[in-house]
Amino acid sequence: SAVISQKPSRDICQRGTSLTIQCQVDSQVTMMFWYRQQPGQSLTLIATANQGSEATYESGFVIDKFPISRPNLTFSTLTVSNMSPEDSSIYLCSASGQGLEQYFGPGTRLTVT
Amino acid sequence: GESVGLHLPTLSVQEGDNSIINCAYSNSASDYFIWYKQESGKGPQFIIDIRSNMDKRQGQRVTVLLNKTVKHLSLQIAATQPGDSAVYFCAENAHLTGRRALTFGSGTRLQVQP
Repeated sequence: SAVISQKPSRDICQRGTSLTIQCQVDSQVTMMFWYRQQPGQSLTLIATANQGSEATYESGFVIDKFPISRPNLTFSTLTVSNMSPEDSSIYLCSASGQGLEQYFGPGTRLTVT
Repeated sequence: GESVGLHLPTLSVQEGDNSIINCAYSNSASDYFIWYKQESGKGPQFIIDIRSNMDKRQGQRVTVLLNKTVKHLSLQIAATQPGDSAVYFCAENAHLTGRRALTFGSGTRLQVQP
């Protein structure tokens, strides 16, 4: 299984600012994804991070608000831009290799004040 | 749209009993299913998976059953322990259609009474 780390683990940010979350995988993986989990709720896919090309966003999520980078097969970033209190959530990175199993990082807990 | 849902939001069991957590899905193209365990303050932890060409798969103390006819899967935990207390999510994708991202169910909280 892949071991996934995220930085920061948590942050408190002011509205109008931006935060970049980093996701590092301990081995090369085929697929990387970003999910959001609002308090007490399930996970919702934000986008698929594509290596070397633009991310593929789900309905309701746009690149201007959630720009994503994936410069190589082990690393990705998600930026939450121009934050508002509604962006307070847990942001989770996941990865999948040659197999179908998908593993998750510990999450980044974001509070916007 | 397509969705994955759960019948019971909270399940309370006695330590040592068996637990059964259920999940329904609606996408007939779904061909891969995973159960995750999420403890407070942590990311989802992979428990067990099953492909659509199987109807049962067993792991250590856990069994997943898949009924494609009624689009239902379940997670059975044998001899439930206090450490099993967590929220459990089912998730699915249709990887043969090219979609590797997961769609998650709403989650079931398992409470184990000592």
